[in-house]
Amino acid sequence: RKEVEQDPGPFNVPEGATVAFNCTYSNSASQSFFWYRQDCRKEPKLLMSVYSSGNEDGRFTAQLNRASQYISLLIRDSKLSDSATYLCVVNTNAGKSTFGDGTTLTVKP
Amino acid sequence: EAGVTQSPTHLIKTRGQQATLRCSPISGHTSVYWYQQALGLGLQFLLWYDEGEERNRGNFPPRFSGRQFPNYSSELNVNALELEDSALYLCASSLYLGARGTDTQYFGPGTRLTVL
Repeated sequence: RKEVEQDPGPFNVPEGATVAFNCTYSNSASQSFFWYRQDCRKEPKLLMSVYSSGNEDGRFTAQLNRASQYISLLIRDSKLSDSATYLCVVNTNAGKSTFGDGTTLTVKP
Repeated sequence: EAGVTQSPTHLIKTRGQQATLRCSPISGHTSVYWYQQALGLGLQFLLWYDEGEERNRGNFPPRFSGRQFPNYSSELNVNALELEDSALYLCASSLYLGARGTDTQYFGPGTRLTVL
């Protein structure tokens, strides 16, 4: 079993749709959590950190459930420009950083 | 503020050769991470350096090695190149928070290595 697992998708949604991605992790010592976005053949870019209390940035909402060891990303009112691969990242306090394989989102007109 | 830089952008080598990839972190960052991303696949962790020392290593053979210099820049060396080493090699830098782990990682644009 992988340490960090994501549904690879692809998720194909129309503009304006709401879409949610989940990511599960197996290491209970994990301390910090992030969502990154990666466009085709480009480097990953930080989308948002994920806090225990949940956090929101515009149309994006991230949540963490430590008891069930999963994090989620909700995108509301999807735009064409949201089309990308979304990577879940889990860090331990020993500095180990594990990336999920990513979930591909395609937003269609 | 300058971001993470990597060189070269593209590198073409033949089987059995050696490749050297370079990374300069964001100013003030002491940690440098290296990842391999083969076409269509996820990021695979290679190496983590902080304050000049190798702190952690992914599941790669010893022909993948590197170092971090006193100015925190880093090199990744791949010896005895194999066809399957063809990939995008990404470098990321971050602050290291000690017992609190690492801070957000910021990525460079990558070096695309092609082994023929």
